[in-house]
Order: sequence, then C-alpha cells, then structure tokens
Amino acid sequence: GAVVSQHPSWVICKSGTSVKIECRSLDFQATTMFWYRQFPKQSLMLMATSNEGSKATYEQGVEKDKFLINHASLTLSTLTVTSAHPEDSSFYICSAKALAGAYNEQFFGPGTRLTVL
Amino acid sequence: GQSLEQPSEVTAVEGAIVQINCTYQTSGFYGLSWYQQHDGGAPTFLSYNALDGLEETGRFSSFLSRSDSYGYLLLQELQMKDSASYFCALNQAGTALIFGKGTTLSVSS
Repeated sequence: GAVVSQHPSWVICKSGTSVKIECRSLDFQATTMFWYRQFPKQSLMLMATSNEGSKATYEQGVEKDKFLINHASLTLSTLTVTSAHPEDSSFYICSAKALAGAYNEQFFGPGTRLTVL
Repeated sequence: GQSLEQPSEVTAVEGAIVQINCTYQTSGFYGLSWYQQHDGGAPTFLSYNALDGLEETGRFSSFLSRSDSYGYLLLQELQMKDSASYFCALNQAGTALIFGKGTTLSVSS
C-alpha cells in the first residue's frame, strides 16, 4: 500500500529556533500534500495545502511566514516552523494525495511531535 | 463552510456493538471517511462512503445518507484495542479532508 513517512518523528527545540519537518511519499507520487496540526485531545486542523512546484495555500489564521512549506518534488514536502515558541508545540501530521488515487484518498504520515522549550 | 458533529465520548464493554454518529454540513460533497487514532499515533483509515448505504469491512461498518447529511460508524464485537478516537471526515474534490472533533471510545472488560 501507499506509505508516507515523516522525519523526525519527534523533536525538542529551544524557543526561537527553527525546525524542519519532512514528509515523503515512499512508493507513489503526490502532487498534493496536506499539513495538519493536532493539539492534545483535539481534532486535526488543516494548516496548508502543498502543491508540487507552486506556492502553498494556507488556511485562515495560519501564518505563512512562520510555517514555511516547500514542495520541491512529487515525493517530498517540508514544513519549517520558524522562530518556534512553546505555543507551537503540537503534533504535526502530513498526508499525501496520490497522483492517480481513487476517490480523493489520502495517506497519512506517522506524525512529528514538536516540543518547544 | 464545512462542519461535522459527532459525540465527544462513548463507552462500551467488550463484545458489545457501538454506533458513532456523524452529521455534516458542506456545499460540496464527495464522500465521508472514518479514521481511527490511538493516543500518540497518526490517523488510520477505516472506511469510506460516497454513496448511500452500508459499507462493511470486517468488524467495522459505515453508513451514509446523503439526503440526511448523516453517517455512522458501527463497531461490532468490541475489543479493548478498539479504545481510541474516531473521526469522521469530509472528502471534497481536490482538497484536504475536513475532520470532525472526534469521538473517544472507551472499551472496558
């Protein structure tokens, strides 16, 4: 089946630093990847839609200058949390939509847990 | 906009049957998906309905009524390992899944 990986699986950083999270589709090509954020005991909230070769589309309330998204190839999207602060601590999950997928099926990565001290 | 409503918590005992309901509002509809998420893990796909009716996958079944903007997930022969959060999610053409707030299922022995 379709596999999506994320790296790192967890990261702890100091306030003010930047953190890059990678999302890869391992056995399929994805023109579109999505980034979600999930706080404890809450739902997955869509942050942005990442399209290969073009600028990401951000959801209302998500700062594009703080959460930089790059989708340089059909198998890789990166999310960089710039100048991270404790309130950015969360579980970040990506999903990928297959180039030739059925019914808009999306495949989720295992998530990255970010803790900002 | 889009919105989904589902109960926040459900409790049941092993071997029982549980139904988690989901009502939704959306302007464009392709289908309704169900995902399971254990603590600390990523969501895993359970079931999908694009047309009215029941879809059965082992112990899990999902139902959709587009005219009522309503669906449910049915879990049979509950096991302790089924304790998790369950999310209904709207599928829309070319866009991300929109998730409900999730239902926490607690299965006791």
